[in-house]
Amino acid sequence: AQRVTQPEKLLSVFKGAPVELKCNYSYSGSPELFWYVQYSRQRLQLLLRHISRESIKGFTADLNKGETSFHLKKPFAQEEDSAMYYCALHYGGSQGNLIFGKGTKLSVKP
Amino acid sequence: DADVTQTPRNRITKTGKRIMLECSQTKGHDRMYWYRQDPGLGLRLIYYSFDVKDINKGEISDGYSVSRQAQAKFSLSLESAIPNQTALYFCATRAGGGNTGELFFGEGSRLTVL
Repeated sequence: AQRVTQPEKLLSVFKGAPVELKCNYSYSGSPELFWYVQYSRQRLQLLLRHISRESIKGFTADLNKGETSFHLKKPFAQEEDSAMYYCALHYGGSQGNLIFGKGTKLSVKP
Repeated sequence: DADVTQTPRNRITKTGKRIMLECSQTKGHDRMYWYRQDPGLGLRLIYYSFDVKDINKGEISDGYSVSRQAQAKFSLSLESAIPNQTALYFCATRAGGGNTGELFFGEGSRLTVL
């Protein structure tokens, strides 16, 4: 069965420090992975997807099929990055769904 | 702006009461979802619908039912609410066809069952 694991419930860093939010997945098919973010008092929104291979708000994430990982990275954290981050796996093709990890709360201290 | 709207935003009720959470969208998406968010448990899928005549159970459907009244409306009901259904509930939509992945979420409905 498909599964998404985010091992850290809480990650606390200082402003300007690098940050890495870990995500590992388990899926027998071809994975499509995403990071969603939820800022305080806002709705969940898509941050980035592995297909796009883009950098959003300074964040990047590379799909590593060998390690079944999709870690989210940013070289210099900002206070406004403080939020809840969810890794998500789309499975089942066009009739499939998204499964979410349990989330990591990122706190960036001044 | 095309949007996903949930009502009510906050609701406090008592054990045994029937509760309905409503979701409407102006995005024109075929697919609609209800998720529940609990601290430490992340987002879990309750029910989903790929079109008006399609209803599917998700990971945690027990104690819930849904109705897809129209393409734009998807309601979640708790027939007899219990305290462990206290949570933040999110509705989401997604375009159908070959599109994969991006969900558009509502602002959430916070439900407290006493």
